Amino acid sequence: DQQVKQNSPSLSVQEGRISILNCDYTNSMFDYFLWYKKYPAEGPTFLISISSIKDKNEDGRFTVFLNKSAKHLSLHIVPSQPGDSAVYFCAASGNNDMRFGAGTRLTVKP
Amino acid sequence: GAVVSQHPSRVICKSGTSVKIECRSLDFQATTMFWYRQFPKQSLMLMATSNEGSKATYEQGVEKDKFLINHASLTLSTLTVTSAHPEDSSFYICSASRQNSNQPQHFGDGTRLSIL
Repeated sequence: DQQVKQNSPSLSVQEGRISILNCDYTNSMFDYFLWYKKYPAEGPTFLISISSIKDKNEDGRFTVFLNKSAKHLSLHIVPSQPGDSAVYFCAASGNNDMRFGAGTRLTVKP
Repeated sequence: GAVVSQHPSRVICKSGTSVKIECRSLDFQATTMFWYRQFPKQSLMLMATSNEGSKATYEQGVEKDKFLINHASLTLSTLTVTSAHPEDSSFYICSASRQNSNQPQHFGDGTRLSIL
């Protein structure tokens, strides 16, 4: 039962352009959402989060958008840089539960 | 930022061996620690949640007698894979959180376990 889905396993973007990573969830009890970035052979690193009381949170080049009615969130990276190439996991939490999506591998081409 | 240290980073051992993996929060007290398993090209699968001083809560389908978790202090949790078999080969990652699931988790770098 996948409560958090990242339907795109991979995404390739040109340097300087916008990267948009998408995530859908099914459990309406989730009220806090996070994005993690993971390099090979390392643990995930926290990137940015958003509470369900907001619809947007911005931190430098990273912006997370939340559409509660659609149970959808997205991570925008602009401008994308080669160093952003990694696997990005979205996570949803609530009611003492946290679930991760399967991840999207982002490749930013120079 | 917060640092979580996970050791060892890689283990290769024979079938039937028990393997202990340590997870330490280096600069904060981790009320809650999580253990995940990641299969190739799949998401992080939560195995269990442990709170300091109490028994771990295991996810459905995870054998608690197979994967022993001890969270004896606010800075250390251990996962012991008992009598490991080749199907236990995987990437195991721990994370630590100050309070509850609404706090960002800080992850260790993972342990690659290979059972021959």
